[in-house]
Amino acid sequence: DAGVTQSPTHLIKTRGQQVTLRCSPISGHKSVSWYQQVLGQGPQFIFQYYEKEERGRGNFPDRFSARQFPNYSSELNVNALLLGDSALYLCASSRGTGLENTEAFFGQGTRLTVV
Amino acid sequence: GQNIDQPTEMTATEGAIVQINCTYQTSGFNGLFWYQQHAGEAPTFLSYNVLDGLEEKGRFSSFLSRSKGYSYLLLKELQMKDSASYLCAVRDPGNQGGKLIFGQGTELSVKP
Repeated sequence: DAGVTQSPTHLIKTRGQQVTLRCSPISGHKSVSWYQQVLGQGPQFIFQYYEKEERGRGNFPDRFSARQFPNYSSELNVNALLLGDSALYLCASSRGTGLENTEAFFGQGTRLTVV
Repeated sequence: GQNIDQPTEMTATEGAIVQINCTYQTSGFNGLFWYQQHAGEAPTFLSYNVLDGLEEKGRFSSFLSRSKGYSYLLLKELQMKDSASYLCAVRDPGNQGGKLIFGQGTELSVKP
């Protein structure tokens, strides 16, 4: 079975540009969460979607947005990129909302570099 | 507020045992996770505790005390490949969701 897949794996963008990151969850998983991980720190929660509805939003500016599609895949969009947005962006999928005792599995991440 | 603390770095010897501690203060609690993350890679799931006590899985064990807001990950018979960052994360049910709140990670170096 395929795990969580993210694309692209690496990306270089210029300040002020926009970027879209993509995630396909494990088959049968309906929840997708996005995390930002800056070098040397733990991942920081950005968004969670379950059944195409937003279930949680972290402390990130409105430049960050996301959505979930009917097939449960998800996109994370970041507008007006700043140098500080350079990070590893991780997608995690789980079977339920997270209120149940289910594991969260991570994709390999997208390494975004803003220059 | 939300706060998860774990040591920044630890060093141990191959074949030895190491314990990585994690303390947490969160507004909600629905389980504590430990993940292993090698440099440049995604976190991989190690263990999950929602009730107090010890969960054992091979060379890895994890303990939880909800009243103390405390957990530890115990690694036995250390191998060189265990050199990695170990992330403690609390699941906060929040707005009917299940976001994970991570500590900053403990960088473990295993020496020969």
